[in-house]
Amino acid sequence: ELKVEQNPLFLSMQEGKNYTIYCNYSTTSDRLYWYRQDPGKSLESLFVLLSNGAVKQEGRLMASLDTKARLSTLHITAAVHDLSATYFCAASIQGAQKLVFGQGTRLTINP
Amino acid sequence: EAEVAQSPRYKITEKSQAVAFWCDPISGHATLYWYRQILGQGPELLVQFQDESVVDDSQLPKDRFSAERLKGVDSTLKIQPAELGDSAMYLCASSWDSYTGELFFGEGSRLTVL
Repeated sequence: ELKVEQNPLFLSMQEGKNYTIYCNYSTTSDRLYWYRQDPGKSLESLFVLLSNGAVKQEGRLMASLDTKARLSTLHITAAVHDLSATYFCAASIQGAQKLVFGQGTRLTINP
Repeated sequence: EAEVAQSPRYKITEKSQAVAFWCDPISGHATLYWYRQILGQGPELLVQFQDESVVDDSQLPKDRFSAERLKGVDSTLKIQPAELGDSAMYLCASSWDSYTGELFFGEGSRLTVL
């Protein structure tokens, strides 16, 4: 059974600082996804990582995937308040078009 | 930009009552999902459709939940009778790209059972 774990679950940081959210998954998976969720809203797709060593960047966010370590990271550079949200990673079960989500990391960025 | 449509956005009901949620996926998306998200947790898959066929409903509590996608387009998720523990956000998602497997989510239907 595929399990996805994120850490930390809660993160409070200052504007301008850098930090990393970690996402571990338990069994072989060939795809990893990052989503953002604002309070009371739905999930917005941020990144789709399809292969080992994949790295994608959008603005102050950068995601990477290490399939051998079963680890993905979401790195935040020079955080700004607008990035405050809950971030979810999800992995797909090989051969199945189904996503298993982590618990989410609630990120709060303080001025 | 095409979106996944869901209704109602909010539903308050008393336990033992019936409730239904509707989802219209992005046009052309063959795969449709219903996820349940309890406050403070990640979404959990309830049911997955490929066109009109159920692909996975292993986590659907079949004694009270049912889902259908009769013509392979829109879908309905029903709960009867609703229980207090069913209070959650019900998210519908769709996908067309079997290579990336990327899911596009609707705004969700928030259910409160009193």
